[in-house]
Amino acid sequence: NSKVIQTPRYLVKGQGQKAKMRCIPEKGHPVVFWYQQNKNNEFKFLINFQNQEVLQQIDMTEKRFSAECPSNSPCSLEIQSSEAGDSALYLCASSLSGVGNTLYFGEGSRLIVV
Amino acid sequence: GDSVTQTEGPVTLSEGTSLTVNCSYETKQYPTLFWYVQYPGEGPQLLFKVPKANEKGSNRGFEATYNKEATSFHLQKASVQESDSAVYYCALSPLGNTGKLIFGLGTTLQVQP
Repeated sequence: NSKVIQTPRYLVKGQGQKAKMRCIPEKGHPVVFWYQQNKNNEFKFLINFQNQEVLQQIDMTEKRFSAECPSNSPCSLEIQSSEAGDSALYLCASSLSGVGNTLYFGEGSRLIVV
Repeated sequence: GDSVTQTEGPVTLSEGTSLTVNCSYETKQYPTLFWYVQYPGEGPQLLFKVPKANEKGSNRGFEATYNKEATSFHLQKASVQESDSAVYYCALSPLGNTGKLIFGLGTTLQVQP
């Protein structure tokens, strides 16, 4: 049973629309990750945070996504203008800080762009 | 760059037979190695991890040994069950990065009764 809570489980958007997903990390975990998993099971790292600060993000995320992890609120990932290629499972994970720590994943938000 | 290569699936086995899923990795850093499992409709969950070379990890009958010389971390199970049907991912977390995991492409295991 996931302790990382992601909402919504499914969302369907038209091309050009915004798509927003939320994540509540496991209690006590300061580090939050977002991954995109495509239909071929490939994981693409998008961004991670420690508390409210961005640790690392890829170019695509910086250019096309808006992401934040405010204190006392769910983290969020928003695609500003959805494209067909964005159709995927978006996974949020949380961990304790430090390298080598286990990432605990939520069940994901499945985005379909029509 | 950092990468993980694992057995291409799907792998189809009969219940009671043995499993080996090969995993090889590349990194210039000294990584922690992981095996994750993902069931349909769920997020990946940790099977086990091994932070040190020459040590073995295990859980639910699955095991793997961190072989630094061969840069390998092969997953094995002596006798699979139908409930083991899932996608298995080998992953690494290199020392010195921000804690993110680098995943292989996954190996789908189908166990027939």
